[in-house]
This record gives sequence, structure tokens and C-alpha cells, in this order.
Amino acid sequence: EVQLVQSGAEVKKPGESLRISCKGSGSSFTNYWIAWVRQMPGKGLEWMGIIYPGDSDTRYSPSFQGQVTISADKSINTAYLQWSSLKASDTAMYYCTRQPYSSGWSDYWGQGTLVTVSS
Amino acid sequence: DIQMTQSPSSLSASVGDRVTITCRASQGISIYLAWYQQKPGKVPRLLIYGASTLQSGVPSRFSGSRSGTDFTLTISSLQPEDVATYFCQKYNNAPLTFGGGTKVEIK
Repeated sequence: EVQLVQSGAEVKKPGESLRISCKGSGSSFTNYWIAWVRQMPGKGLEWMGIIYPGDSDTRYSPSFQGQVTISADKSINTAYLQWSSLKASDTAMYYCTRQPYSSGWSDYWGQGTLVTVSS
Repeated sequence: DIQMTQSPSSLSASVGDRVTITCRASQGISIYLAWYQQKPGKVPRLLIYGASTLQSGVPSRFSGSRSGTDFTLTISSLQPEDVATYFCQKYNNAPLTFGGGTKVEIK
């Protein structure tokens, strides 16, 4: 069974850095794309970008380009989403998802990581 | 970028009713459209991809269709467990934009 297990909730201050993770199991992690999706409190879903762990090919939504960094370590089946300087507006739930193609649907979702940024 | 406009933003219907949700793409996206269900406090779940292909395990009362750049998610007989917010997503190319969501409640 495919599983995406995300790291736990984080509480950070503005200006701090953060990296959250998404560990895959149950399928060949390097044969699929991993996407990150943001959901701000009470709002809809926003696709942030994707990475192909097999070769680290990465694509970003223009809305998130330069704001976050997506990376992966295929040796441990893990993808990452990181910020160098958090803002209060980064407060949201972040989901990692599996996409079978770079332009594809999300068939498996992680449980979500809640990031709270507050002074 | 292609915009996805969902309507209505919310609806209230009775158990057993036929419910229809629409998603309109600002440009052609062929059949590259998926639908997701997000129950309150839960993780989104894939219902349909390819505009009309039902994901494994999804009840057959859910169906999807396409007419040009208009896409429809239909629940043939609304059940209490269908209370959720439904999102469409286009995936023909990046960015893979979601619609704004439709909140479905029981009357």
C-alpha cells in the first residue's frame, strides 16, 4: 500500500527557516512525482510545485517560485519543502501528494503538516 | 495561466437528491481534469481523473463529464457521508490549478 508520511506540526517565528518532509513507502518512490499543495486556514487548495525524486527535476508554480524550495533524497524516499525566512502568511496546512506524471492528478496524499508562523 | 472557475461555491440539498457541480476552464484543457473530495478536517481524496474516470474505490454515485471547457461532477443520490468540499483541478500543464471549491451540505 502506498503511504506518504509527513513530518509533524511546526510552530515558528517570522524570519525563521523551516524544512518539512514527506516520506514515501509502498511503491517505487523514484518512479513518481511528488507535489506540494498548500491550504491556508479555511481556504482552498493551491498547487505549489513538484519534484521527480529519481533525478530531482523540479517545477514550481509561478506563485511559489522563489518563495520555497522543493528537494528530495531518493536514498531515503523523502521529499522536502523548505523556507529560508518564514512569514505569517505562510501559516497553512501543507500536503505532499503523489502524481503519476508531471502533468497528472494526485492519487495519494500525505496526512498534512500544519505550519504556524507567529511572533 | 488557465483559471478554473467552480460553481456554485456552496449548495444545500436533501438526501437522495441529484447534485451537480460545475468547473469551467478559461482555456481548453482537453480531458485533463480531476475532482477531489475533502471532508471536514480530513485530507483531500481523488474521486475522478481524466474528466470521467472513477478512481478505484469511489462509489458509483459519483460521475464526471465534459462539454468543451465545462466539466461537471454529479452525485446521483446525495448521501450524508458526501458532506464535503469538492475541488476540481486541471493538470494539462503546470501550474496545476485548483478550482475554488464547492461546499456541499445536507438540507
